[in-house]
Amino acid sequence: EVQLQESGPGLVKPSQSLSLTCSVTGYSITSNYWGWIRKFPGNKMEWMGYISYSGSTSYNPSLKSRISITRDTSKNQFFLQLNSVTTEDTATYYCARLTMMVLIPNYFDYWGQGVMVTVSS
Amino acid sequence: DIQMTQSPSFLSASVGDRVTINCKASQNINKYLDWYQQKHGEAPKLLIYNTNNLQTGIPSRFSGSGSGTDYTLTISSLQPEDVATYFCLQHSSRYTFGAGTKLELK
Repeated sequence: EVQLQESGPGLVKPSQSLSLTCSVTGYSITSNYWGWIRKFPGNKMEWMGYISYSGSTSYNPSLKSRISITRDTSKNQFFLQLNSVTTEDTATYYCARLTMMVLIPNYFDYWGQGVMVTVSS
Repeated sequence: DIQMTQSPSFLSASVGDRVTINCKASQNINKYLDWYQQKHGEAPKLLIYNTNNLQTGIPSRFSGSGSGTDYTLTISSLQPEDVATYFCLQHSSRYTFGAGTKLELK
């Protein structure tokens, strides 16, 4: 069974970088697409970006140059880095697998439980 | 960007009731619409993908319909274990989410 688990610090100071890891078991990250989504207090959800089976990436334009998604295929993990965080980046962060349709990302089928990150001094 | 308007925000219903939740897109999303269930503290669970396809293992009381800009999730006979928050997601152009519907038992 495909399982995803997010990990990382629960508290980050403003202006610093947020770094999270998604550990995947039961499936190789060299197949499919793998994404990050966040849920803000108040329950609004936002797609942040994804990394493909080949390592290419796509990001939400609203995050501009602050975001980076990378991977370590030897550990079957992928990573989120969000730079220059503010209190508005306080959210629960989820990683998830995307299905593919003709090599194009489709819908999210497996999600992690999420990790809550608070940005505060 | 495509905006998703989900309604209602909150829903109270009795066991056995037929429940419907709606999502309206700001433009045609060509049936690229999915529905998820999330219980407190758990990972979101995929219920329906691409408008009307039931994910493996999901009870048949869940169904989806729609086209163009308007989509509906239906629970044909509400069960106690269906108490959760439900949200829609369009993947026609990038990804945008509905605001969620919190479903409780009356």
